[in-house]
Amino acid sequence: GQNIDQPTEMTATEGAIVQINCTYQTSGFNGLFWYQQHAGEAPTFLSYNVLDGLEEKGRFSSFLSRSKGYSYLLLKELQMKDSASYLCAVRDGGKLQFGAGTQVVVTP
Amino acid sequence: DAGVIQSPRHEVTEMGQEVTLRCKPISGHDYLFWYRQTMMRGLELLIYFNNNVPIDDSGMPEDRFSAKMPNASFSTLKIQPSEPRDSAVYFCASSLLWGGVAKNIQYFGAGTRLSVL
Repeated sequence: GQNIDQPTEMTATEGAIVQINCTYQTSGFNGLFWYQQHAGEAPTFLSYNVLDGLEEKGRFSSFLSRSKGYSYLLLKELQMKDSASYLCAVRDGGKLQFGAGTQVVVTP
Repeated sequence: DAGVIQSPRHEVTEMGQEVTLRCKPISGHDYLFWYRQTMMRGLELLIYFNNNVPIDDSGMPEDRFSAKMPNASFSTLKIQPSEPRDSAVYFCASSLLWGGVAKNIQYFGAGTRLSVL
């Protein structure tokens, strides 16, 4: 089975940086994904890590350490539109197992 | 591309009725996934198909739930009979597992919000 843990909620100020941590214990591993989900909408893909290290994509970066079962999503220069739930997901074979999500609240 | 298309967007039904949710995956994608999302349980995988064949249905809660994929462009998730605890948002997603930049990424439809009274 899989166990994926991430904080329930984080609050940060517009323009700041927030780091969302995700730890996982899995029977198999074929990559780690981060998805963003605004309230009432579908999850949308943000980033994908399969090798150790940092992947940077604009204001968003994601890091993976397979030996530690650890990943983080870094959101820089926060904007109000970044207020959303961020879902960590581990791929095992053909399917994804999602964490419960971290609700990020961006305040003015 | 039109993306993953789900219908209906909202469904309100009474306990005991049959409910059918529909999904059209992105053209050319070879994997299709059905998820259910609730506040209590988060996003759960119910079943997934590869090339129209069900691969893993271990997430289907019970025999009241069934899913089919008669061809590469259409899938259904059926609940019969429905119960109030089935109330949730049901998402369909598709992916192209071994292809280009988009490999392994699941693209989600807008979801169907189901309310069983």
